Amino acid sequence: AQSVTQLGSHVSVSEGALVLLRCNYSSSVPPYLFWYVQYPNQGLQLLLKYTSAATLVKGINGFEAEFKKSETSFHLTKPSAHMSDAAEYFCAVSPGGYQKVTFGIGTKLQVIP
Amino acid sequence: DAGVIQSPRHEVTEMGQEVTLRCKPISGHDYLFWYRQTMMRGLELLIYFNNNVPIDDSGMPEDRFSAKMPNASFSTLKIQPSEPRDSAVYFCASSLVGGGGNQPQHFGDGTRLSIL
Repeated sequence: AQSVTQLGSHVSVSEGALVLLRCNYSSSVPPYLFWYVQYPNQGLQLLLKYTSAATLVKGINGFEAEFKKSETSFHLTKPSAHMSDAAEYFCAVSPGGYQKVTFGIGTKLQVIP
Repeated sequence: DAGVIQSPRHEVTEMGQEVTLRCKPISGHDYLFWYRQTMMRGLELLIYFNNNVPIDDSGMPEDRFSAKMPNASFSTLKIQPSEPRDSAVYFCASSLVGGGGNQPQHFGDGTRLSIL
């Protein structure tokens, strides 16, 4: 079975500061990994996904994530936070072979002006 | 392109009433998922379908919940009778099969359900 752990249910950063949202996964097979973003009163939207083509994955809105197998991590980063980045972010893992995706509990990002 | 469409966006009803939530997936998508999101439990998968056939309904909380997908373009989630603890945001999502599970899910904007 697979699982996802997101460290920190709430993260606050100043506008212009580095954003780092942590995700660790557990999977018995090489996983597919995703980051989604949810803005208030909306559904989840895909930010980026890792599918084994490259360990550093670039997504929308300047976000990127690096797959580190040795650390079983897939942390999400952005060099400079913008006010519009305030949202909830979900890490998700799929073991492939189309079993159901497991979502983390989410991290709410607050950006302070 | 039209995304996943859910209706209604908001539903307020009294305890004991039947509630029906509706979802139109993205055309051509093979998988359809129903999720429930609450502050306490986060995002929970209730059931998912592949080619209109229910594959895993282990997340359906109890017999009061049922879901159907009569065709590729429509699905319903029904709660009968409803209870206050069913209050949550319910999301529908769809995805393509391909690459063994590397396709992302596309979410609707959800139905915010309040049971009084």
